[in-house]
Amino acid sequence: AQTVTQSQPEMSVQEAETVTLSCTYDTSESNYYLFWYKQPPSRQMILVIRQEAYKQQNATENRFSVNFQKAAKSFSLKISDSQLGDTAMYFCAFMGGNAGNMLTFGGGTRLMVKP
Amino acid sequence: GAVVSQHPSRVICKSGTSVKIECRSLDFQATTMFWYRQFPKQSLMLMATSNEGSKATYEQGVEKDKFLINHASLTLSTLTVTSAHPEDSSFYICSARVAGSGNTIYFGEGSWLTVV
Repeated sequence: AQTVTQSQPEMSVQEAETVTLSCTYDTSESNYYLFWYKQPPSRQMILVIRQEAYKQQNATENRFSVNFQKAAKSFSLKISDSQLGDTAMYFCAFMGGNAGNMLTFGGGTRLMVKP
Repeated sequence: GAVVSQHPSRVICKSGTSVKIECRSLDFQATTMFWYRQFPKQSLMLMATSNEGSKATYEQGVEKDKFLINHASLTLSTLTVTSAHPEDSSFYICSARVAGSGNTIYFGEGSWLTVV
């Protein structure tokens, strides 16, 4: 079974600065997908960024980028130029390569962006 | 973008009654939907995987007779909490996999259930 670990329960960052959220996972599969989801106080799950394991290039979405280290099974999220609206819970998630596989979530990191 | 609608967003029911939560994909077909439960300040816990036209697959520890899941069409899955108790009070979230996409999943807005 796959496991996803987020070792930082809470983090804070000053507005406009950069913060990195950590995620490690364990799997025996070679083909899989990794995700970062944001859950603001509204509780709506919002996809932040997605990475296919077969791609060496790190995914980037505007201010959000990942550092994907496949050998180390590490998938960290970097948020640049942090904004107050980035305050939320962030969940790292794993999905195996089979079409029927589901998302396995990490425990989450609560990020607070301070003005 | 694709939308998954979950209804009701909030529901209060009395102990011993049943309550149904709907998860509907509005602009795509979803052969697979997932139901999660989220306790305060915790992560999402997968309860079951719902496949259109077949029985749901429940995760270990989830009572299938208490949490009835029906996926009668390619756009609708329902979760019925039967004989609800206060400990069933929680936030329930559904997600839907876009048919044929493999890894594209969208989440509903979630439903707060309070059992009094």
